[in-house]
Amino acid sequence: QSVLTQPPSVSGAPGQRVTISCTGSSSNLGAAFDVHWYQQLPGTAPKLLIYGNSNRPSGVPDRFSGSKSGTSASLAITGLQAEDEADYYCQSYDIRLSGLVFGGGTKLTVL
Amino acid sequence: EVQLVESGGGLVQSGGSLRLSCAASGFSFRSYWMTWVRQAPGKGLEWVANINQDVSVKSYVDSVKGRFTISRDNAKNSLYLQMNSLRAEDTAVYYCARVGYNNYEVDYWGQGTLVTVSS
Repeated sequence: QSVLTQPPSVSGAPGQRVTISCTGSSSNLGAAFDVHWYQQLPGTAPKLLIYGNSNRPSGVPDRFSGSKSGTSASLAITGLQAEDEADYYCQSYDIRLSGLVFGGGTKLTVL
Repeated sequence: EVQLVESGGGLVQSGGSLRLSCAASGFSFRSYWMTWVRQAPGKGLEWVANINQDVSVKSYVDSVKGRFTISRDNAKNSLYLQMNSLRAEDTAVYYCARVGYNNYEVDYWGQGTLVTVSS
């Protein structure tokens, strides 16, 4: 049982927009800790996709965007491409656990 | 270029020990929190342990407390994870990673090293 809750899977056709939700609690997202998002392609290490709720590291396309409100956050991907098919994880810090917390991951399928 | 290279993984029997190492380069290692994150086969990411810059703060996920020890050598730009009393459920790819300056984001990851605990 992950501390942050994500849907196990989402799907969309090329060109469409999908969103992935991430729900936390008062000891992490609700405690004003930022949410971050990672993309993990099959067989590779995770890669930072969004940091500080809505910021993109250099090189990440602007098709990826993030937002946070209270104890919830979401990742949006517009203009879906086949190369976006991957697992996506949200992450934050938990004051009660004194450590990083991850969502269970969401598998994105591009139809 | 930031690089994190793990080593030390392998096959070990239940109850055994293993020490993972992570060689860091391309950044000021002594200036960053570092972390270990693991991923069991076919499962999601799980934070294992954190260590701050001067080793004054170490944190662990409950399931490894008392069995795993995180450490670092800033002079050698290296991060370590000593794993004792290993269990089958510790089987995973272990990633060494850097914690960024913003708000506990993990901004760089190693390629991972596989630890397999046989029962």
